[in-house]
Amino acid sequence: NAGVTQTPKFQVLKTGQSMTLQCAQDMNHNSMYWYRQDPGMGLRLIYYSASEGTTDKGEVPNGYNVSRLNKREFSLRLESAAPSQTSVYFCASSPPSGHSYNEQFFGPGTRLTVL
Amino acid sequence: AQSVAQPEDQVNVAEGNPLTVKCTYSVSGNPYLFWYVQYPNRGLQFLLKYITGDNLVKGSYGFEAEFNKSQTSFHLKKPSALVSDSALYFCAVRPSGSARQLTFGSGTQLTVLP
Repeated sequence: NAGVTQTPKFQVLKTGQSMTLQCAQDMNHNSMYWYRQDPGMGLRLIYYSASEGTTDKGEVPNGYNVSRLNKREFSLRLESAAPSQTSVYFCASSPPSGHSYNEQFFGPGTRLTVL
Repeated sequence: AQSVAQPEDQVNVAEGNPLTVKCTYSVSGNPYLFWYVQYPNRGLQFLLKYITGDNLVKGSYGFEAEFNKSQTSFHLKKPSALVSDSALYFCAVRPSGSARQLTFGSGTQLTVLP
């Protein structure tokens, strides 16, 4: 099993450009998440999807959109990138949402720089 | 609102000595508590969790954590530190029986000195 995979690993954008971060998991997990990690701030939840066909806002959703394409894939889109979105982005997944104490499995991250 | 505090940005310990990484939390009702570790340029890896039962939880790589309800703490411990334990450690909490998502602390950088 590859676990959680993310593409790309690195990206540099200019202000105003758009891009989509891709995430896929092969563990048959129901729930998927997008976080951003900034120095001294831990991980902050951007969006999550409790199951295929549903998405919900997290703590910091402004400037982002998501798509749960199918059970395996959960993408994050920046429509008009801003320097404040420079960060490391992590995708994660977890087993069925009925078990709310299940741990999350994380991808390797995408380092995004917006100039 | 739920929150997690990791009061130390940096912890240094000599190899072979015991280590403690501190975590306190605030949540409505009973908590589910987690520790994750992040090695450089990697994603987070699960270490251990407290759901219910015994206050002392054992996890991966010889780590353990003690849940203290009265002090609302969940400190991470290891009896004998290894250089390879050097990493960034995150505590996380969510309330039990709720749809609320995990809240992470700001992280503690552990450095084990040879």
